[in-house]
Amino acid sequence: DQQVKQNSPSLSVQEGRISILNCDYTNSMFDYFLWYKKYPAEGPTFLISISSIKDKNEDGRFTVFLNKSAKHLSLHIVPSQPGDSAVYFCAASWGGGADGLTFGKGTHLIIQP
Amino acid sequence: DAGVIQSPRHEVTEMGQEVTLRCKPISGHNSLFWYRQTMMRGLELLIYFNNNVPIDDSGMPEDRFSAKMPNASFSTLKIQPSEPRDSAVYFCASSGTGNGNTIYFGEGSWLTVV
Repeated sequence: DQQVKQNSPSLSVQEGRISILNCDYTNSMFDYFLWYKKYPAEGPTFLISISSIKDKNEDGRFTVFLNKSAKHLSLHIVPSQPGDSAVYFCAASWGGGADGLTFGKGTHLIIQP
Repeated sequence: DAGVIQSPRHEVTEMGQEVTLRCKPISGHNSLFWYRQTMMRGLELLIYFNNNVPIDDSGMPEDRFSAKMPNASFSTLKIQPSEPRDSAVYFCASSGTGNGNTIYFGEGSWLTVV
C-alpha cells in the first residue's frame, strides 16, 4: 500500500502561470515532507521541504503547503518557467529521517511556451 | 564538494550474469541508501545503512539481491543471478547527521538485463 501518493502522473502548464503539484499521505507518523525534482538521466535533487509544525514554507518561486488534517501537501511554482519541466517527487519521513524517505511515484510537469 | 558517485552509469548484461553496482557517498555522511526506480513502482527503498551497518533490508526484492558497506566511503549492490525484471535505474543516496531528512542522490546506474 502506497503511503505517499501523487495521483497525477503528468501536468501541463503554460509558461508564466502557476503550477500546483499535489501529494497525499496516509501515515500519520510522517513529520517531515520534501519535494525533489528530477531531470532525465539525472538523480533526484532536493527542492524544498516542510516540517509538520509548519503549514507553509516558501523559497523563491517555490512554496510548499501542508494540511495535516487532510494529510495533503502541495507544491506551488509561480511563475512557471521552461526549466521547471521535470518529474517532481513528493517524499516523507519521520523521526529525523534516519530510516530514509518514502517517495510518491512522481508527477511529470511540462511547461508549455 | 563531490556529490554521491555511482558506477557504472550504464550496464547492459545478459540474464543470469552477476551485476555489481558501486557507490561512494558524500564524505562525512553516515547514512547510505539504495533506491530503485521503475515505471510501475516509482522510487523504492531497497536497503539502508547507518554507520556502515545495514539497518533495514526489507525492501530488497529477493535473495538474489545483496548489499555491503565495508567502509564509510564505499557500498555495493549486487544482483546474482540477474533477470530481465531487474532492469531499472538504481540510485544510491546519502545523508548526514543534522540533516537526516534530506538525502542526496547520485546520478543513478541504468541497468538493462536482456
